[in-house]
Amino acid sequence: DTGVSQDPRHKITKRGQNVTFRCDPISEHNRLYWYRQTLGQGPEFLTYFQNEAQLEKSRLLSDRFSAERPKGSFSTLEIQRTEQGDSAMYLCASSSPGYLAFFGQGTRLTVV
Amino acid sequence: AQTVTQSQPEMSVQEAETVTLSCTYDTSENNYYLFWYKQPPSRQMILVIRQEAYKQQNATENRFSVNFQKAAKSFSLKISDSQLGDTAMYFCAFMGGGSTLGRLYFGRGTQLTVWP
Repeated sequence: DTGVSQDPRHKITKRGQNVTFRCDPISEHNRLYWYRQTLGQGPEFLTYFQNEAQLEKSRLLSDRFSAERPKGSFSTLEIQRTEQGDSAMYLCASSSPGYLAFFGQGTRLTVV
Repeated sequence: AQTVTQSQPEMSVQEAETVTLSCTYDTSENNYYLFWYKQPPSRQMILVIRQEAYKQQNATENRFSVNFQKAAKSFSLKISDSQLGDTAMYFCAFMGGGSTLGRLYFGRGTQLTVWP
């Protein structure tokens, strides 16, 4: 499969628990992005990596959020001490050298 | 900061008809890129069409075309011969050509429903 893959597709967690999502980008893409999409809104940028370096973080990314991309391949997004306001779709995208972004199917997080 | 505005929360069109979705944006940059993405109920964002700001010619992809008015900062999407499979949320997106190259700014979306 040559697309962007995200795992899990759905996650239900209790408030206060930690969760981790994974994104596998298209193999030749060196840039990887995380976005958050809440109901009725467009995706909002969270952070991005070029290879293994995290180059930018949005102010939306509180200190409870951390993202990594070891070895410049897959990426993980961890949310600690989840809150109900974290419920959203988390989208991963990767881009080619031409900067055309391809998106994964997203991870839907529900915090109860 | 870049902003993208989609003023039509919902649109509907009959199958085989033509529909136009509106988008305006605000930027101080001269070089940038504009996109329309489609998000069907399956939720995967799919690129529909893109436009480079330095190109005066409007982009076209089969039944999809744009009307890019750089001075007015307007970027509308026209869907011709609408099909039931076009039913989806459509997002207009902006990408700057400077230090934020690669990062997308999205509008709030327009829900398009194509009915038989």
